[in-house]
Amino acid sequence: KAGVTQTPRYLIKTRGQQVTLSCSPISGHRSVSWYQQTPGQGLQFLFEYFSETQRNKGNFPGRFSGRQFSNSRSEMNVSTLELGDSALYLCASSLANTEAFFGQGTRLTVV
Amino acid sequence: DQQVKQNSPSLSVQEGRISILNCDYTNSMFDYFLWYKKYPAEGPTFLISISSIKDKNEDGRFTVFLNKSAKHLSLHIVPSQPGDSAVYFCAATSREGNEKLTFGTGTRLTIIP
Repeated sequence: KAGVTQTPRYLIKTRGQQVTLSCSPISGHRSVSWYQQTPGQGLQFLFEYFSETQRNKGNFPGRFSGRQFSNSRSEMNVSTLELGDSALYLCASSLANTEAFFGQGTRLTVV
Repeated sequence: DQQVKQNSPSLSVQEGRISILNCDYTNSMFDYFLWYKKYPAEGPTFLISISSIKDKNEDGRFTVFLNKSAKHLSLHIVPSQPGDSAVYFCAATSREGNEKLTFGTGTRLTIIP
């Protein structure tokens, strides 16, 4: 059974640009969550999608957005990138109310 | 408002001894708790979980203890091995309310050979 796949693994962008990250969940998992990890901050929750609907949202500015497609694949978009957006972005998928399984993450560097 | 707290950012333990990682939570609605292990540049890997109806769950070298009255859980690893060196995250959720997983800030465990 394939795990959670995130693409790309690494990305370098310039301040002011926008970026789209992709996540393919484990087959059969309908919930996809996104997290930001920065040094010393742990895993900060961005949002969760379930059956194409945003079910939960964290405390991030509107520049961070996401969506989920009918095949449960999800994308996360960050517009007007800032230096502070440099982080490891993690996607996790789960069946309803069970353990979340994480992808390897996308390392975003904003210069 | 940090609802899940891991107050020790780092911990060093001799190989073969017991590692004890602690986690406190404040939200009394949490009823399901998980531990994840994370290596650098990789996503967290699920280790072990416990439901609030239990006070202990064991899986091989890993045991999680839950003290609901104190809103405290701990992960015991025995015996500790060099491959256990990683960052450990505690997480909590309310299964009834379709709540998101709330993570602690992590504890970096270093096993000394």
